[in-house]
Amino acid sequence: LAKTTQPISMDSYEGQEVNITCSHNNIATNDYITWYQQFPSQGPRFIIQGYKTKVTNEVASLFIPADRKSSTLSLPRVSLSDTAVYYCLVGDRDMRFGAGTRLTVKP
Amino acid sequence: NAGVTQTPKFQVLKTGQSMTLQCAQDMNHNSMYWYRQDPGMGLRLIYYSASEGTTDKGEVPNGYNVSRLNKREFSLRLESAAPSQTSVYFCASSEGGNSPLHFGNGTRLTVT
Repeated sequence: LAKTTQPISMDSYEGQEVNITCSHNNIATNDYITWYQQFPSQGPRFIIQGYKTKVTNEVASLFIPADRKSSTLSLPRVSLSDTAVYYCLVGDRDMRFGAGTRLTVKP
Repeated sequence: NAGVTQTPKFQVLKTGQSMTLQCAQDMNHNSMYWYRQDPGMGLRLIYYSASEGTTDKGEVPNGYNVSRLNKREFSLRLESAAPSQTSVYFCASSEGGNSPLHFGNGTRLTVT
């Protein structure tokens, strides 16, 4: 079971790019890396998923180095509405969340 | 499609009372999960069901039981509620394996 480690909190300003890194040293060969976003009083929402290298969708990019022991979620040009908690998950069955990273975007 | 539906949305119990939290999904997903989230904390996995007919313990199973009634429904039962079980409970489902989780809107439970 791969344990993940993320920064507890980050601050940014509107329009900046934000990079949140997650460490998962014990990732298994079959494990994918998945990132979720959670707003207060809501369930987490899927953002992006990858296995290796780089994945990009309409809201974010995910960078995964060759050793797969870490991953970086990149949010381009954040806005106030991106203020949320971001979680990375690693695994394929027993899906456990860590503490997440609380991102605060300031005007 | 409704996605993942949880009932009730809110519940207040007295210590020692029992109740069942209901969860249903209409996406034909194989796997279902129950999490709890205490204020200011991350989600903790209570139980999960990788497929119909199977259930497994997560991080914090004590004080809870689950039933995978059929492929659509996965219920969570508190036999004797305690104040420490005051939390927001989220149900989630996925196709299985590495597929992303889809969450319900949660049940806010208070035990006095």
